[in-house]
Amino acid sequence: RKEVEQDPGPFNVPEGATVAFNCTYSNSASQSFFWYRQDCRKEPKLLMSVYSSGNEDGRFTAQLNRASQYISLLIRDSKLSDSATYLCVVNHPFGNEKLTFGTGTRLTIIP
Amino acid sequence: DAGVIQSPRHEVTEMGQEVTLRCKPISGHDYLFWYRQTMMRGLELLIYFNNNVPIDDSGMPEDRFSAKMPNASFSTLKIQPSEPRDSAVYFCASSRLAGGKYNEQFFGPGTRLTVL
Repeated sequence: RKEVEQDPGPFNVPEGATVAFNCTYSNSASQSFFWYRQDCRKEPKLLMSVYSSGNEDGRFTAQLNRASQYISLLIRDSKLSDSATYLCVVNHPFGNEKLTFGTGTRLTIIP
Repeated sequence: DAGVIQSPRHEVTEMGQEVTLRCKPISGHDYLFWYRQTMMRGLELLIYFNNNVPIDDSGMPEDRFSAKMPNASFSTLKIQPSEPRDSAVYFCASSRLAGGKYNEQFFGPGTRLTVL
C-alpha cells in the first residue's frame, strides 16, 4: 500500500463549481498534513496546512479525519487560476522532517 | 528575498556522463532536501541534510547517486555514470525548524535532466 494515495484525476470542472479531493495515508503515527499545489512545469508550493479541527482559507477548506486516516480539500467557486495539480503531503512522527507526497490530483477548470 | 536557487535549469547529457546538480537554499534554513519527480513515481525524497549533515539517504536509488553539502549555502547532487532512467526533474527544497515545529518546505525551480 502506498504511504499516501490520491485519485490522480483528471478532474475537469466548470468555472464556479465546487470540487473536492480526497487523500488517504497509511502511517497512523503521522503528525502533520498539508496540501501543496504544483502548476505545470513549476515547483510545488504550500497551499495550506491541515489541522485536526479543519481549517479554511478563503475558498479553500481542508479537513482531517485521523480515525479514517483521510484528508480532504474542498475548493468553492472555482477559478480558472485554480487549474493545477494538488499534492497531498504527510510527514512522519515528530522529529522527522521527511515529507511523503502523493502523486497528485490534476484539476482543470473549464471556462 | 531570494528563494531556493538551482542550476542548471535544464541538462541534456549522454548515457555514461557525469551530471552535477547544484542548489543554494534559502539563507537561514537548516534543512535541505533533494527530490526527484517523474510521471510514473511522482515526487520522491532522495536525501536530506540538517545543518549540512546528511540525515537520511535511504531514498538514493543507487551508488551512482551521491550528494554533498559542504556548507550552509550550497549542496550538490551528482550522478555518475548517468543512465536514461535517471531522466526526471530534480528539485531541491529547504526549510527551517522553529519553536520545535515543522515549517513549510520551499522548493527551487528544479533541474530538468534528460539522459540520452
